[in-house]
Amino acid sequence: GAGVSQSPSNKVTEKGKDVELRCDPISGHTALYWYRQSLGQGLEFLIYFQGNSAPDKSGLPSDRFSAERTGGSVSTLTIQRTQQEDSAVYLCASSWRSGGAVAKNIQYFGAGTRLSVL
Amino acid sequence: SQELEQSPQSLIVQEGKNLTINCTSSKTLYGLYWYKQKYGEGLIFLMMLQKGGEEKSHEKITAKLDEKKQQSSLHITASQPSHAGIYLCGAAPGTYKYIFGTGTRLKVLA
Repeated sequence: GAGVSQSPSNKVTEKGKDVELRCDPISGHTALYWYRQSLGQGLEFLIYFQGNSAPDKSGLPSDRFSAERTGGSVSTLTIQRTQQEDSAVYLCASSWRSGGAVAKNIQYFGAGTRLSVL
Repeated sequence: SQELEQSPQSLIVQEGKNLTINCTSSKTLYGLYWYKQKYGEGLIFLMMLQKGGEEKSHEKITAKLDEKKQQSSLHITASQPSHAGIYLCGAAPGTYKYIFGTGTRLKVLA
C-alpha cells in the first residue's frame, strides 16, 4: 500500500479481555517495528522484525504481550488479559531495512491504534 | 547507551515568528531523523541528516547537524498554525533500534 496501515484506529476494551492490533507495512519494507506511546510520554520500543530473522522482543513489557509477522508482511500485536496501564497509542513503523545506509533506516509510521482499557 | 535530549520541551509562539528546536545527543550521531506528530496521529518523517555540517530545508523548515555531530537544530521560519504539533528527533546508533528524543510540543497562536 501507499503507507503503513493500522487497524483498528481506536479500540475500547474491558479489563481482562484480549486485544489484537494489526499493522500492514509498506510493500517491500523488510523491517517492522512496534512502539507504545503513553499520554505525555515518549515512544517506547516494543518489538522489531527484520525479514526472516528472529524478532527482537526485548521491549515487550510483560508476557501478556506478543507479536507475530506472517509472511514477512502483516504483523499482529496481541495483548492478553488487558490492564488499565496498557491504555496507550500503539504505533507501527516499517523501513526498507535496518542498519547500514542511513537512508534505508528511515521509518514510516502508521496513524496508530488508540487503546483504552476500562 | 545513547540518549537524545530535546529543548525546549514546549513552545508557544505567535504566528509569523521564527523558532528553533534543539536535539542534543550524548554520543556522536551517525544519522539524525526529524519527525512531526500531530495530536492524536502517527509520526510524519520530515528530514534526515547524515553528515556533519549538513543542512536541509523543506518549505519553511530547516534542519542542521552540527560539525561535531552531537547536536541538531530544527528551525521554522515565519511559523503558521499548521506547524503546530510535537517534533521528535530520532537516531539509530549503529543498530536497528531507534532512540527518540523527548519531544518538543509546539503551539502556534493565530
